[in-house]
Amino acid sequence: KNQVEQSPQSLIILEGKNCTLQCNYTVSPFSNLRWYKQDTGRGPVSLTIMTFSENTKSNGRYTATLDADTKQSSLHITASQLSDSASYICVVSSNFGNEKLTFGTGTRLTIIP
Amino acid sequence: DVKVTQSSRYLVKRTGEKVFLECVQDMDHENMFWYRQDPGLGLRLIYFSYDVKMKEKGDIPEGYSVSREKKERFSLILESASTNQTSMYLCASSLRGFNQPQHFGDGTRLSIL
Repeated sequence: KNQVEQSPQSLIILEGKNCTLQCNYTVSPFSNLRWYKQDTGRGPVSLTIMTFSENTKSNGRYTATLDADTKQSSLHITASQLSDSASYICVVSSNFGNEKLTFGTGTRLTIIP
Repeated sequence: DVKVTQSSRYLVKRTGEKVFLECVQDMDHENMFWYRQDPGLGLRLIYFSYDVKMKEKGDIPEGYSVSREKKERFSLILESASTNQTSMYLCASSLRGFNQPQHFGDGTRLSIL
């Protein structure tokens, strides 16, 4: 069964600090890995999409890494801001005919001033 | 920017009612999706559509149907609403092909009493 597990479930950090969120997956066959940001009461917004051949991808202060051998990904947030408070969802795509997405349950990040 | 608009942010209905959730996207995307999001669970796919008048079952289609009469509009129908269908419903759209990000609406929080 395809699964995506994220850790920690929740995290609280001070504004300006860095943090790293983790994602482990057992999805086969692997197509790509995505990170989404979901603000409270809003729909998810795409941050990055990484294919098998990419091991790092940045989007502003967000940097995602992918280790396809160990089936792990991380999302690093640099110099956090209050607006980074959100849920971060890891999504893994498998390619077997139609593309199929498996969603993690997310990490709830709270930035405090 | 891509805009995916869901007709209602909040909706309250009674058990047994037929419920329609509407979704419209303005970027000529071929693919459209309906998900539900529940606490502690990842997003789960209900139905998707790769073209007008075309529909495919997702992981949890029971109790739901869909309609796609026009490319920009994808409707989710709860034939006879039940309390276990109380949830957040998210619509998404994307371009055809792999590695395309899905663009989400802000969701409809549906309560069935």
